[in-house]
Amino acid sequence: DGGITQSPKYLFRKEGQNVTLSCEQNLNHDAMYWYRQDPGQGLRLIYYSQIVNDFQKGDIAEGYSVSREKKESFPLTVTSAQKNPTAFYLCASSAWNTEAFFGQGTRLTVV
Amino acid sequence: AQSVTQPDIHITVSEGASLELRCNYSYGATPYLFWYVQSPGQGLQLLLKYFSGDTLVQGIKGFEAEFKRSQSSFNLRKPSVHWSDAAEYFCAVGALRGSQGNLIFGKGTKLSVKP
Repeated sequence: DGGITQSPKYLFRKEGQNVTLSCEQNLNHDAMYWYRQDPGQGLRLIYYSQIVNDFQKGDIAEGYSVSREKKESFPLTVTSAQKNPTAFYLCASSAWNTEAFFGQGTRLTVV
Repeated sequence: AQSVTQPDIHITVSEGASLELRCNYSYGATPYLFWYVQSPGQGLQLLLKYFSGDTLVQGIKGFEAEFKRSQSSFNLRKPSVHWSDAAEYFCAVGALRGSQGNLIFGKGTKLSVKP
């Protein structure tokens, strides 16, 4: 089955630690995206990549980093510089000028 | 600046009643508009989208939306709501031509359905 897989589903981070969220797609999509969702805030774009080895900052990139070494993979690292990382993170992918498909999300909690 | 406003944070309707969820957008050019639905703790599923042409768009699960340029609106409707429609609904505008995943979302409307 084609789709987007995010792992883990739940993630706990201690203060001051970096954590990496995984996003893999087998849809052969060129573009991939990371969104952050907070209650009552909708979704906000963190980073996006339209092609391998290239990515662009979204609206709230501070405290986050990404890489795009393979077409299928777009991992997101939440660094210690992100002061309020507790949120629901959603990954998505799309082909050129077609709708985006979303993964099931990773819930990150700072403990 | 581009933006999307969903005026209703929470709506409750009775099963079988009609539904209208409001969405207003601010965008300089002809917008690409989307409605997504999200069940608790899940990802988003596309209900429908508008790019051009007929201003009344049909989607999945019996939903439709009407684009009204004069009102900068893209309201979502369903004639008869089912209990399984209870979820959160997001309106979004495409922020980058050709890149339909580069979206500006509204804050969402949570729909509850009374039996």
